[in-house]
Order: sequence, then structure tokens, then C-alpha cells
Amino acid sequence: QSALTQPRSVSGSPGQSVTISCTGTSSDVGGYNYVSWYQHHPGKAPKLMIYEVTKRPSGVPDRFSGSRSGNTASLTISGLQAEDEADYYCCSYAGSYSYVFGIGTKVTVL
Amino acid sequence: EVQLLESGGGLVQPGGSLRLSCAASGFTFSSYAMTWVRQAPGKGLEWVSGISGSGGGTYYADSAKGRFTISRDNLENTLYLQMNSLRAEDTAVYYCAKDSLYFYGMDVWGQGTTVTVSS
Repeated sequence: QSALTQPRSVSGSPGQSVTISCTGTSSDVGGYNYVSWYQHHPGKAPKLMIYEVTKRPSGVPDRFSGSRSGNTASLTISGLQAEDEADYYCCSYAGSYSYVFGIGTKVTVL
Repeated sequence: EVQLLESGGGLVQPGGSLRLSCAASGFTFSSYAMTWVRQAPGKGLEWVSGISGSGGGTYYADSAKGRFTISRDNLENTLYLQMNSLRAEDTAVYYCAKDSLYFYGMDVWGQGTTVTVSS
């Protein structure tokens, strides 16, 4: 299973919006409604931000939103804040109890 | 509060073995499938292995098949990953994660334990 494709980095100023894409295939991103997004600050535990493509766990700010079109899922962070600076990974269920992650995107707040 | 605490990482020579542990607390451990994910230096996250709540179902990435064994002790609330025939490319931070009951994915992660395979 090949890793999902994400941009290596995105950046934005505080208050702006950034969108991270996550491109897979019809066997993963496009084939199941089980795309999750994780925020990872180095040295810390990854944190679930979005599940089932668009849903937000309780406690995650509504600045974070997910969407999908075909084989590409996206995470949008609106109203960017300094604490949003982290690595973000998409993850898709790929059938037969297996998962595939994206290569990760570093979000920089300018 | 749900907590996952990994241990057992360290330096091991190529061809060697290591057993990772993940102590779970704050939830009914036996009710949840569990997962191991790793991150090699400078690389992204990689799904390694998963196990059902009962332990009756185990699943592996191709990179782990035949070398790694996932298991759990539901009385001790502990998840394990036995890693044999280790290679340099297994060098990574290994995370355990709790699977959600409601969707395919992991909802809580530990902070990881570092495995270094080098002579």
C-alpha cells in the first residue's frame, strides 16, 4: 500500500485559512468514508482532529474541517492560530483491517 | 482519562529482537481493538499492526508480516509487539493507539517509544 500524497508544507499568517490535500485511490480515500486527520507536535502523542472525512471529535475547535472529492480528502484550518503549527497526517482505512497514512504536512504559522 | 504508555524501546543490533509494551488505562481495554503505528526518522506515520479486542484477530502491514507479532493481555490491560529479525529500516518511534468503537481509525495515541536498529 503506497502512502497517501500530501504537500510537504503549507503556511499562512494568523487568521488566514490553509488547506491540506490528501490524495489516494479508489481503494482507500475514495472507497471508504473512513478518512481521519491527526495533528502531531513532535515528541507528543498524535491527536485526532477529524474522523469519517468530515466529523470533529468533541473538544476540537470548529476551525478545523474536513472534506473529500473523489480520491482526494482535504483538511482546512480556518482562522489559523500559532498553536496550529504542527505536522498533520491523513489516514484512510484501506480494507481488510489495514490503514494507510499520508506522508505528512508541516503547517507553519508565519 | 484514557492513557497509553509505551515502553520497551532501545538499541538493538540488526537481526535482533525486541518486545514493546503499551500499558492502557482509563477505558475497558478488552472492548477495543488496538494498533501499532511507527514513524521512522524524517518520515511519516506508517501503520504496522492491529489486533481485535479479544485478540482473536491480528493484522499486519507487509513490512511486519512474518517478523512482528502483535498480542494483548486483557487481564493486565497491556498491548505487545514482538519484533524479530530487526532491520535498520525498522528504526522508528513506535506508537500504540486505541481504535474507535464507532469508526475505522484510532482515537487516542500514546507518546511513543524509540527503537534503534544499528550495529
